Amino acid sequence: KQEVTQIPAALSVPEGENLVLNCSFTDSAIYNLQWFRQDPGKGLTSLLLIQSSQREQTSGRLNASLDKSSGRSTLYIAASQPGDSATYLCAVEGDKLIFGTGTRLQVFP
Amino acid sequence: DAGVIQSPRHEVTEMGQEVTLRCKPISGHDYLFWYRQTMMRGLELLIYFNNNVPIDDSGMPEDRFSAKMPNASFSTLKIQPSEPRDSAVYFCASSSHTGGYGYTFGSGTRLTVV
Repeated sequence: KQEVTQIPAALSVPEGENLVLNCSFTDSAIYNLQWFRQDPGKGLTSLLLIQSSQREQTSGRLNASLDKSSGRSTLYIAASQPGDSATYLCAVEGDKLIFGTGTRLQVFP
Repeated sequence: DAGVIQSPRHEVTEMGQEVTLRCKPISGHDYLFWYRQTMMRGLELLIYFNNNVPIDDSGMPEDRFSAKMPNASFSTLKIQPSEPRDSAVYFCASSSHTGGYGYTFGSGTRLTVV
């Protein structure tokens, strides 16, 4: 059974810092890994999708990497801003899309 | 495309009442998923459909929960009778095939059972 873990559970940093959010999964037989953002009381916004054959994807200040063999992914956020404050969820797709428990990020001015 | 559309956005109902949540997937997507999100358990997959056929309902918590997809553009999740522990945010998502195309989520329905 696929299990997805995210560390840390919560993170509070001053504006401008570079951040690394971690995601680990137990079953490496996946099609892809997806990072989502969720604002309080809102739905899920897809940030990055990494196919199983890829090593990383970039979008603006976000960079996500995938190491299938070790069952790990990282989301790197460069030059964090208060607007980045949200919960970040990773999800792995095998026969189903299984979510981690999320990292709650707060970036203060 | 308007994305995945869920209704209602908020639902407050009394214990014992029937609740029906609705979802319209993105046109052309042949997979549809229902998730439930709670503080305690995070996001859980309840059931998913492929080409309108239920494929895996192992996440449906009890017989009080049922889901249907009568056509490619509409799905319902029904709870009868509802209980306070069913209070959660229910998300619908759709995908064009599995295996690499990503999922698109609706805005969710926040259900409160009092």
